[in-house]
Amino acid sequence: GEDVEQSLFLSVREGDSSVINCTYTDSSSTYLYWYKQEPGAGLQLLTYIFSNMDMKQDQRLTVLLNKKDKHLSLRIADTQTGDSAIYFCAESLRGGKLIFGQGTELSVKP
Amino acid sequence: DGGITQSPKYLFRKEGQNVTLSCEQNLNHDAMYWYRQDPGQGLRLIYYSQIVNDFQKGDIAEGYSVSREKKESFPLTVTSAQKNPTAFYLCASIGTRAPEAFFGQGTRLTVV
Repeated sequence: GEDVEQSLFLSVREGDSSVINCTYTDSSSTYLYWYKQEPGAGLQLLTYIFSNMDMKQDQRLTVLLNKKDKHLSLRIADTQTGDSAIYFCAESLRGGKLIFGQGTELSVKP
Repeated sequence: DGGITQSPKYLFRKEGQNVTLSCEQNLNHDAMYWYRQDPGQGLRLIYYSQIVNDFQKGDIAEGYSVSREKKESFPLTVTSAQKNPTAFYLCASIGTRAPEAFFGQGTRLTVV
C-alpha cells in the first residue's frame, strides 16, 4: 500500500545543518514535496522534486532523492530559530492521490 | 490575489449535527483535496477530486461527504456518522501546469 514515513522529532543547534528524512513505499510517485507548518497555520510549500531527479538545491535547502531506496531527505543549511516548525514529506502518485508523512518536528536551540 | 480560502477558521457544533466546511480557490486548479490533521498523526487524506463532478475516497472517507459542482469549490460535510470529528481540516489544490499543492489556512472543528 501507499505509506510515507518520517521520524517525529529532530533537535539541532542554531547554525548547524538539519537533515530531515522520509521514506515512501509507492514507486509510482511523480513528484515528492517538502512542506513546513508553523503552529495553527496551513502548510507552506518549501520545495519539490520530480521523481526522475536526484537532487535539487534552493538557497539553504537541498533535497536528495534515492529512488532505489525510496528515500527522500531535506537538508537545511545554517539552521535558524525561525526554522523551528513541523516539516512534512509528501508524495504525489499517478491518478492524483497526494499522501503525507506524519511530520517531523524540528526544534532549533540557540 | 490568487489563493485558496477555507472558512470558517473555527467551528463549533453539537454532537449529532452535520456540518459543512467551505473550500474555495481562484487558482484555476483542477485537483482539490481534503485532509484531516490530528496531533502526531500528520495529514490523512479524506477525499480528492481531479475534475468537476468527480471525486475519490481517500484513506479515511467514512463519515464524510463531498461535492464538486464547480471547479472553484470543494465543500466537505462532516456527518453525524463520523465518530470523532474534532480535528483540524485542511484543503489543498494542485494545477495541471505546475505540481505545487497550495493549502488553505485550515478550519478547526470542535464538536461538543
